[in-house]
Amino acid sequence: GEDVEQSLFLSVREGDSSVINCTYTDSSSTYLYWYKQEPGAGLQLLTYIFSNMDMKQDQRLTVLLNKKDKHLSLRIADTQTGDSAIYFCAVTTGANNLFFGTGTRLTVIP
Amino acid sequence: DVKVTQSSRYLVKRTGEKVFLECVQDMDHENMFWYRQDPGLGLRLIYFSYDVKMKEKGDIPEGYSVSREKKERFSLILESASTNQTSMYLCASKGRVNEKLFFGSGTQLSVL
Repeated sequence: GEDVEQSLFLSVREGDSSVINCTYTDSSSTYLYWYKQEPGAGLQLLTYIFSNMDMKQDQRLTVLLNKKDKHLSLRIADTQTGDSAIYFCAVTTGANNLFFGTGTRLTVIP
Repeated sequence: DVKVTQSSRYLVKRTGEKVFLECVQDMDHENMFWYRQDPGLGLRLIYFSYDVKMKEKGDIPEGYSVSREKKERFSLILESASTNQTSMYLCASKGRVNEKLFFGSGTQLSVL
């Protein structure tokens, strides 16, 4: 299988930018995802990027992919208290399974 | 929008009981998955199914079985629940071509 790693915790002040990082091991990964899990809820797809892209921007979210280093990041601009959640990185090689990281708990301090 | 529905939000069972967790999706997806989520471990795949009556073991299938008699429904079965199966269980589905995985809201199972 694939190893997907994330740091467990991140704290930022409201209004600052948050950067959540993820590394993976399989260079043939084709789709890379960011999911958000709010307390007591399932996972909600936030955004995704194909492996032939370096960057994708969607409103306050920016995804950066460095294929050479197998590094994926999610930047949240102007972080709000409603962004407090667990963020999961997930990657797939196109087969049926997705491999998930451990999740990063983002805490936004007012 | 895709809807993935898990039948119970919270479930409390006793050691040794047989437990059924049900999941239904309404988008005619071929692929369905059961994950468990534990703090610090992320999501771990228990079983998945890519078609009716087909199933494949994931990373941690021990102590679990699954059933896919109809395309829209994927059941996770704990034959004899144990305390180490206390966890959040997440069901997910995706179509054949579309690689996006859609999740249910989860079932928090406590085995006493």
